[in-house]
Amino acid sequence: DQQVKQNSPSLSVQEGRISILNCDYTNSMFDYFLWYKKYPAEGPTFLISISSIKDKNEDGRFTVFLNKSAKHLSLHIVPSQPGDSAVYFCAASADSGGTSYGKLTFGQGTILTVHP
Amino acid sequence: ETGVTQSPTHLIKTRGQQVTLRCSSQSGHNTVSWYQQALGQGPQFIFQYYREEENGRGNFPPRFSGLQFPNYSSELNVNALELDDSALYLCASSNAAYGYTFGSGTRLTVV
Repeated sequence: DQQVKQNSPSLSVQEGRISILNCDYTNSMFDYFLWYKKYPAEGPTFLISISSIKDKNEDGRFTVFLNKSAKHLSLHIVPSQPGDSAVYFCAASADSGGTSYGKLTFGQGTILTVHP
Repeated sequence: ETGVTQSPTHLIKTRGQQVTLRCSSQSGHNTVSWYQQALGQGPQFIFQYYREEENGRGNFPPRFSGLQFPNYSSELNVNALELDDSALYLCASSNAAYGYTFGSGTRLTVV
């Protein structure tokens, strides 16, 4: 069963505009959420995270929103830049403090293309 | 501070063979996790090692096994390779904070 879903396989955005990437989850035990960015031939790179006690976390151009009642999170990139073109994965963890926090459940990924 | 290093970067094996993948964790990181990423999918958790002990396992059969060494480097061993084992294998290390550092992965092709 796919506990973390990214229903949009791809997203195309014009440079300077907002990119919104969405992620849905089904497991109520998830309490920490992360977004990773992946370029070809590289490993995933951590972008931003959010704890379930928050509904928003911001870091520069990146903002993650969490709607616990809807089991939905989104990543906003403003303004989008061509260098942001990559695969974006959302991931979730059910352990916010122990050594098992490394058990991340990933979505399938969304390919973001930012056109100049 | 060195990152996570995985070797080899690419590997081709025949069905039924055995393979060992290696990972050198980031300096100071005592936890290592392994993930399998099939084409077009997100990474799937295989198992995690914390201070040389297995600390959780995903839905993978016993022919997937691992080790962590005193210097926190790690190995992933896969026996009796199947065609479906063809994937990118990612290693990630951490030292008790979120935001694992991932290696670039080993691309395994089983023919």
